[in-house]
Amino acid sequence: KAGVTQTPRYLIKTRGQQVTLSCSPISGHRSVSWYQQTPGQGLQFLFEYFSETQRNKGNFPGRFSGRQFSNSRSEMNVSTLELGDSALYLCASSLWWNTEAFFGQGTRLTVV
Amino acid sequence: DAKTTQPTSMDCAEGRAANLPCNHSTISGNEYVYWYRQIHSQGPQYIIHGLKNNETNEMASLIITEDRKSSTLILPHATLRDTAVYYCIVRENYGGSQGNLIFGKGTKLSVKP
Repeated sequence: KAGVTQTPRYLIKTRGQQVTLSCSPISGHRSVSWYQQTPGQGLQFLFEYFSETQRNKGNFPGRFSGRQFSNSRSEMNVSTLELGDSALYLCASSLWWNTEAFFGQGTRLTVV
Repeated sequence: DAKTTQPTSMDCAEGRAANLPCNHSTISGNEYVYWYRQIHSQGPQYIIHGLKNNETNEMASLIITEDRKSSTLILPHATLRDTAVYYCIVRENYGGSQGNLIFGKGTKLSVKP
């Protein structure tokens, strides 16, 4: 069974640009969550989607947004990139919103 | 904020059992204890979870105290590949539960030859 797939794996963007990251969950999983990991703040929750609806959102500015499609695939978007957005962005999928989460390998975003 | 307290780091000899403690003194009745680990630069990996009974799977055992205020993750025969940061997380599983996991700083386990 294929795991959680995140694309791209690495990305370099310039300040002010926007970026879209993609996540394909494990087949059959309906919940997708996104996390940001930085050396200073550790792993922080961004948002969670279940059946195309955002169920929960972390404490991040509105520049961070996401969506989930009918096939459970999810995208997250960051607009007006700042240097501090450089991080590893992780996606996790769950069969249901309250079952164990399985993480992808992440997308490493560098903002220059 | 994370509702758990873990030691910052631990060492373990290869082949020996690694016992990783976690304090969660404010855990409520409907909260589970989850363990994840993260090997350098990879996504976190689910290990095990439990409510109040001890649990065992192919990776590890989870021992939860009777008052549920602390738990121990046991890796029975640690190998060098078990070197990672281990996160203990408490989380609701039912009703209006939220899917987000609140990660603390975890315990850096170093398995040495």
